Amino acid sequence: GAVVSQHPSRVICKSGTSVKIECRSLDFQATTMFWYRQFPKQSLMLMATSNEGSKATYEQGVEKDKFLINHASLTLSTLTVTSAHPEDSSFYICSAESGAAETQYFGPGTRLLVL
Amino acid sequence: AQKITQTQPGMFVQEKEAVTLDCTYDTSDQSYGLFWYKQPSSGEMIFLIYQGSYDEQNATEGRYSLNFQKARKSANLVISASQLGDSAMYFCAMTRSYSGAGSYQLTFGKGTKLSVIP
Repeated sequence: GAVVSQHPSRVICKSGTSVKIECRSLDFQATTMFWYRQFPKQSLMLMATSNEGSKATYEQGVEKDKFLINHASLTLSTLTVTSAHPEDSSFYICSAESGAAETQYFGPGTRLLVL
Repeated sequence: AQKITQTQPGMFVQEKEAVTLDCTYDTSDQSYGLFWYKQPSSGEMIFLIYQGSYDEQNATEGRYSLNFQKARKSANLVISASQLGDSAMYFCAMTRSYSGAGSYQLTFGKGTKLSVIP
């Protein structure tokens, strides 16, 4: 149980285009999902907390107009990187909280390369 | 603000031996959770073990155990009988205060790269 999928696993796009990343909880409902960013050989940095049916909460320094988050249902959250630039190239990983045990289960991540 | 410190950037262990990965934390919260995650080269984050701050017994999950010393604010991960497949990055994390209903954000340490030698 507690499986989280993420799509796509890898995407290459041109500078200026927008990219949508989907995060799904497959076998449980997640009121809250989290979006992280990870640069090579670094730790995970929380970008935003996504709550179903309400606006996402962004961490300090994260541009909410650039990283659009939509938590449309209890099993789906999407992150859209708008007008992507090369500096947005990174590993984006989502997680979903399962049950009352505080545990977050992570998706497999999405590697974004902006040319 | 919470802080997680992992002082070992890299560790080596012989196959079948036990290894301890260090993690210390700092928080002003009375109630918190501590986690260890494994990240292989593929990038996925695999949940290993959880310890609640009020749990009196150390958490164990198969070959993984968490040596929780609350007074020292440490939550070391012990892997027994290391296997080649254990080679990966290991992240210690803890929950942090969050106003969202029933949800807990995580703060991660910088990670320790474990290499298991045959």
